[in-house]
Amino acid sequence: DTGVSQDPRHKITKRGQNVTFRCDPISEHNRLYWYRQTLGQGPEFLTYFQNEAQLEKSRLLSDRFSAERPKGSFSTLEIQRTEQGDSAMYLCASSLEAVGNYGYTFGSGTRLTVV
Amino acid sequence: GESVGLHLPTLSVQEGDNSIINCAYSNSASDYFIWYKQESGKGPQFIIDIRSNMDKRQGQRVTVLLNKTVKHLSLQIAATQPGDSAVYFCAGPEGADKLIFGTGTRLQVFP
Repeated sequence: DTGVSQDPRHKITKRGQNVTFRCDPISEHNRLYWYRQTLGQGPEFLTYFQNEAQLEKSRLLSDRFSAERPKGSFSTLEIQRTEQGDSAMYLCASSLEAVGNYGYTFGSGTRLTVV
Repeated sequence: GESVGLHLPTLSVQEGDNSIINCAYSNSASDYFIWYKQESGKGPQFIIDIRSNMDKRQGQRVTVLLNKTVKHLSLQIAATQPGDSAVYFCAGPEGADKLIFGTGTRLQVFP
C-alpha cells in the first residue's frame, strides 16, 4: 500500500455534465475525508466517513454533490450538473481514528475543470 | 469554530538562509496544530505537528513554535533549500473530527 490514490488526476468536463471521482485510502485507515481546494486557497472540508458511515457534510456540499463509501474502503465523490464554480482540486485524505490523532495522509488530488 | 490564517502570502528567501512562516489562530481551546507542505500538483504533505502543552518542537531542519498567549505559531526552516519551495499551510482541529486549513504561504527559494 503506497498511500492514498485518487483517480482521475485531471478531468475536463462541459458545464452540466456529471462527474465522479474515486479515492482509495490507506488500507488500515478507517477515516476518509474529502476536501476542495481552489487556486490560492487552503483545502476546505467537504465531508468525511468513518468506515462506511458519512458522519459530517459541510454546507459547501450542495445537493449536487454526493459521496459514498459503500464498503468502508474506497470512496466516490459525484458532482451532478457541474458548474464553472465547481472547478477546483478535489483532495482525498485518510487517517486512523484515535483520540487526538489528526494525522491525515492526502492523495494527489483530482483537478476538475468545468468549461 | 476554528480559523487559521497566515500573515504573508509569499515569502522569498535565499538558499541557505532560514525561513520563518507565521500563522495565527482564533480558538484558544485548540490543542493541536499541524504544518503541511504542498508542492505543485501534489496533495499536502505532513511536516510537523505540535500539541498545546508544548511551546516548541523540532524536526529535521524544521522547528515549530507555539505562543498560546497571542495565539500564534510559526514554522522555521533552517538552511532553506530549493526543494523547500512550496506552499505551506498551518491547520488546526475543528471539533474532534476534522482539520481546518489556513490560506497558505508560498515559499520561494532563490539561489
